[in-house]
Amino acid sequence: ELKVEQNPLFLSMQEGKNYTIYCNYSTTSDRLYWYRQDPGKSLESLFVLLSNGAVKQEGRLMASLDTKARLSTLHITAAVHDLSATYFCAVDIKKSSGDKLTFGTGTRLAVRP
Amino acid sequence: DADVTQTPRNRITKTGKRIMLECSQTKGHDRMYWYRQDPGLGLRLIYYSFDVKDINKGEISDGYSVSRQAQAKFSLSLESAIPNQTALYFCATSESDRASQPQHFGDGTRLSIL
Repeated sequence: ELKVEQNPLFLSMQEGKNYTIYCNYSTTSDRLYWYRQDPGKSLESLFVLLSNGAVKQEGRLMASLDTKARLSTLHITAAVHDLSATYFCAVDIKKSSGDKLTFGTGTRLAVRP
Repeated sequence: DADVTQTPRNRITKTGKRIMLECSQTKGHDRMYWYRQDPGLGLRLIYYSFDVKDINKGEISDGYSVSRQAQAKFSLSLESAIPNQTALYFCATSESDRASQPQHFGDGTRLSIL
C-alpha cells in the first residue's frame, strides 16, 4: 500500500524567509503532483513532476523530485503572506496514468509579517 | 462558469437519510473521481470512473455508491448516512492517459450528518 507523508504538518514562517516542505512516499513512482488549497476552497494544481530529477518553478515556489529517494520537496523562497495556504503532494502509482492519486496529509503554511 | 461543478455546496442531514451529491463537468474529460477530505487525513479516493461503463472502487468505498450518468456527470450517493461520513467531498476530473495533466477539482460539498 502506498503511503505518502508530508512534513511538517504545520509551518509558521516569517515573511521574507525561505523554507522547504518535504513529501516522502513508500512505493516506486515517477509521477508526483503538488496542489494548493486555500481555506474552504478547492485544490489548485501547482506542479506536475514526471521524472527523476524533475524541477519546476513558479514564482516563489520550486518543486523537485528524487525518485530514488522517493522524495519531493517544495521550496519557498522569500515567503509572502499570499502563500499562506495548505499544500498537498499526491503520488501516482507507477504504470498508472495520473488517475489513482494518493495524497499526503497536507502542510498548512502560515506566513506572518 | 466553473469547469467542475458540485451540488449542493453545503448539506446538513440526519443519520439514516439517503443523500446524493452531484458533479458535472464541461472539460470533456473521460475520467472522474470522488474524494473525501477530513482534517489531518488529506484526501482519500472513494470511487473513480474511466468512462461511462467503467466504475472502480477507491480506498474507502464502503457506505458509498456512484452513478456515471453521462460522460459529464458523476454522482455520489450515501445510502444511509452516518455521522462519520461528515466531511468535505470533492469531485475531480482528468484526461485519459495524460499523466502530464493534473486532476481538476470542483469547489467541494461540505456534508454534515447529525
